[in-house]
Amino acid sequence: DGGITQSPKYLFRKEGQNVTLSCEQNLNHDAMYWYRQDPGQGLRLIYYSQIVNDFQKGDIAEGYSVSREKKESFPLTVTSAQKNPTAFYLCASSLRDGQGTEAFFGQGTRLTVV
Amino acid sequence: AQKVTQAQTEISVVEKEDVTLDCVYETRDTTYYLFWYKQPPSGELVFLIRRNSFDEQNEISGRYSWNFQKSTSSFNFTITASQVVDSAVYFCALSGSYNNNDMRFGAGTRLTVKP
Repeated sequence: DGGITQSPKYLFRKEGQNVTLSCEQNLNHDAMYWYRQDPGQGLRLIYYSQIVNDFQKGDIAEGYSVSREKKESFPLTVTSAQKNPTAFYLCASSLRDGQGTEAFFGQGTRLTVV
Repeated sequence: AQKVTQAQTEISVVEKEDVTLDCVYETRDTTYYLFWYKQPPSGELVFLIRRNSFDEQNEISGRYSWNFQKSTSSFNFTITASQVVDSAVYFCALSGSYNNNDMRFGAGTRLTVKP
């Protein structure tokens, strides 16, 4: 089945550590996105990528990094510079058809700092 | 700047009641897209509907219906005869560009349907 796979589902990080969240899609979508969700808040865009080897900062990129070496993969690294990383992280992808097509989401990764 | 407001933080209804989730948006774009997503307890956002700014026709899909009114910048979502399985967080979103770079989400409305 086509879809977006995020792993792991739960992740625990010690303070000062970098961690990487995986996102893979087999929908043949050009565009991929990372969002952060905090309790009682909507989704906020961290990074997005429209094509391979290119990505742009979203609204809250500080303390995060990404790469887009393959069309199918868009991993997110939460660095030690991110002061409050505990949150729910969602990866999404969409077509680039010029018609505001909807984004498809993965099941998310819940990151907790211990 | 684009903004989406979902003023209802939480709504609780009893099964079979009708419920309307409000969404008000702000944008200066003449071409834009509105979305509703459902987030069940599993966490994944499930796409429900997309509307472009030139199509104000209301839509019905089974028990779900959407009312888009440009005059009041609203895109409300009604569930008729609610069921326990409708319990979830519902997000309204707005995108002003064709590639969703600037998609903005509301804070979400948590709907609880009690048996």
